[in-house]
Amino acid sequence: KNQVEQSPQSLIILEGKNCTLQCNYTVSPFSNLRWYKQDTGRGPVSLTIMTFSENTKSNGRYTATLDADTKQSSLHITASQLSDSASYICVVSAGGFQKLVFGTGTRLLVSP
Amino acid sequence: DAGVTQSPTHLIKTRGQQVTLRCSPKSGHDTVSWYQQALGQGPQFIFQYYEEEERQRGNFPDRFSGHQFPNYSSELNVNALLLGDSALYLCASSLTAVETQYFGPGTRLLVL
Repeated sequence: KNQVEQSPQSLIILEGKNCTLQCNYTVSPFSNLRWYKQDTGRGPVSLTIMTFSENTKSNGRYTATLDADTKQSSLHITASQLSDSASYICVVSAGGFQKLVFGTGTRLLVSP
Repeated sequence: DAGVTQSPTHLIKTRGQQVTLRCSPKSGHDTVSWYQQALGQGPQFIFQYYEEEERQRGNFPDRFSGHQFPNYSSELNVNALLLGDSALYLCASSLTAVETQYFGPGTRLLVL
């Protein structure tokens, strides 16, 4: 069964600190992995997308890594800001026609 | 260049009623996907439309139906509403099925 599991479920950090979110998947065949940021009550916004051959991708203070062998990905947030408070969702594309499998997300709260 | 738009933003219905949600894709996008996101959960794939046809479908009953128009906009219809249909309904568009999906802000449906 295609699944995407994220950890931790929720996280509280102080403003300015770094944090790392984890994503493990059992999706086959694998096409690509995306990280989305979703503010409460809003639609998800794409942060990064990585294919099988890519093992790291950055977008400003966000850096995603991918280990296709262990089927793990991480999202590292550097120098966190209050606006980083949101849910971060890992999404894996299972083959053609963009069949997406969503994780349940990590809820991040950045505290002043 | 407008992004993905959805209407209405909020909606309240009673059990047994029918509802129609609307989505306009990002300019130049031809593929529209619909998702249901329950509170605290990740989005669940409902179906995807391309060239006015349903290309693939998730595990949702026939009460959920859709349509895509020649201008690529789309509608999601839900009949015989249940309390459990209360959720944020997200529309995502992409240029073909293999490109990054861009999400709209969602329609929050409450069924009483």
